[in-house]
Amino acid sequence: DTEVTQTPKHLVMGMTNKKSLKCEQHMGHRAMYWYKQKAKKPPELMFVYSYEKLSINESVPSRFSPECPNSSLLNLHLHALQPEDSALYLCASSQDPGHEAFFGQGTRLTVV
Amino acid sequence: QKEVEQNSGPLSVPEGAIASLNCTYSDRGSQSFFWYRQYSGKSPELIMFIYSNGDKEDGRFTAQLNKASQYVSLLIRDSQPSDSATYLCAVLGGSSGTYKYIFGTGTRLKVLA
Repeated sequence: DTEVTQTPKHLVMGMTNKKSLKCEQHMGHRAMYWYKQKAKKPPELMFVYSYEKLSINESVPSRFSPECPNSSLLNLHLHALQPEDSALYLCASSQDPGHEAFFGQGTRLTVV
Repeated sequence: QKEVEQNSGPLSVPEGAIASLNCTYSDRGSQSFFWYRQYSGKSPELIMFIYSNGDKEDGRFTAQLNKASQYVSLLIRDSQPSDSATYLCAVLGGSSGTYKYIFGTGTRLKVLA
């Protein structure tokens, strides 16, 4: 089983809203990732959690706030987003940071 | 120079032919190499990974790695229309010691029926 589950699949939010994206895996993976992908571009790394600790933050604006409540869950809290933040947000996990990563199906976010 | 380079395509091949996708990388310390397939509007799907020089085969797919030339390729034999997608090359690890995937921009493959 290589399943990473993301909810919701689609999200439309206003610029003053607060929302959260959720990601869950039950493969015992100890590294989890958030990526952002715009149309016709490759995934762009945002955050890496390794053993439940934030290990990489790619200078992401503070309106994106990650959280790793336990080894199976990863959240991305969104607040005061801009229309240019509209994108496909992808969660991924790997056995540890040095191994192959498996992606969830993504959340299509539209900021209006 | 981009860290991971791929020809954006589209690469068009007839059904049943071999599709050859190429990727070069700039960091000589890179350790692990991955190929993902991404259909339009979907998330990337891992299809191959390779860590050592040489070839690695899995069904219709063969990954080839040449660390001296900093080159990794993916061959798809007996290409099918369902193989039409964007193929992303990803490179992990490197001289910095941090475990970050660096993706190429992807090659769009079209398999013509």
